[in-house]
Amino acid sequence: QVQLQQWGAGLLKPSETLSLTCAVYGGSFSGDYWNWIRQPPGKGLEWIGEISHSGNTNYNPSLKSRVTISMDTSKNHFSLKLSSLTSADTAVYYCARGPDVNVDTWFDPWGQGTLVTVSS
Amino acid sequence: QSVLTQPPSVSGAPGQRVTISCTGSSSNIGTGYDVHWYQQLPETAPKLLIYGNSNRPSGVPDRFSGSKSGTSASLAITGLQAEDEADYYCQSYDRSLSGSVFGGGTKLTVL
Repeated sequence: QVQLQQWGAGLLKPSETLSLTCAVYGGSFSGDYWNWIRQPPGKGLEWIGEISHSGNTNYNPSLKSRVTISMDTSKNHFSLKLSSLTSADTAVYYCARGPDVNVDTWFDPWGQGTLVTVSS
Repeated sequence: QSVLTQPPSVSGAPGQRVTISCTGSSSNIGTGYDVHWYQQLPETAPKLLIYGNSNRPSGVPDRFSGSKSGTSASLAITGLQAEDEADYYCQSYDRSLSGSVFGGGTKLTVL
């Protein structure tokens, strides 16, 4: 079964760019959507965006100007970059698979999460 | 402010039944988009609990059930157990935002 493992820098300064990577084990990119979701400390979940198995992307309008999601099929990885960071971007970031069923698909499985703190 | 509205907290005694509501609008649940539910235990990643409004993934006890009607959905938990104490989130798709949306989450306390 598919498992996701993610990594990236956990402490960044304001105005810097967040960079996280998620590796897909036990499966491939074909037929699914690959998502990033974040959760500020003590708060709820926010969908950041997705990349399809064919490389098409879709982003949350509130973050669209700062987000880039890409993939490397040769390594079974997909990545998140979020630029111009502020303290409001401090959160646990999760990667997750969205089965290619329809636009209203679910997320399963999830990565273990990476806490990213933005502080000067 | 989340696009989908959930009560901040619910509680129940062991063995009891509780329900968690998820209210949306004509832009998401009311359009016919599916609702999914997640359980998040402390300090862990969310786990899929219900998908496609009422389907349980393999391994999820049948004490958990989901339903949808109109612009709302509900998660029911029967035979409450101490290990059910967690945060629960609903999720759907919003056509105005052209993306996935979550509820604000509901903290379940087992008394």
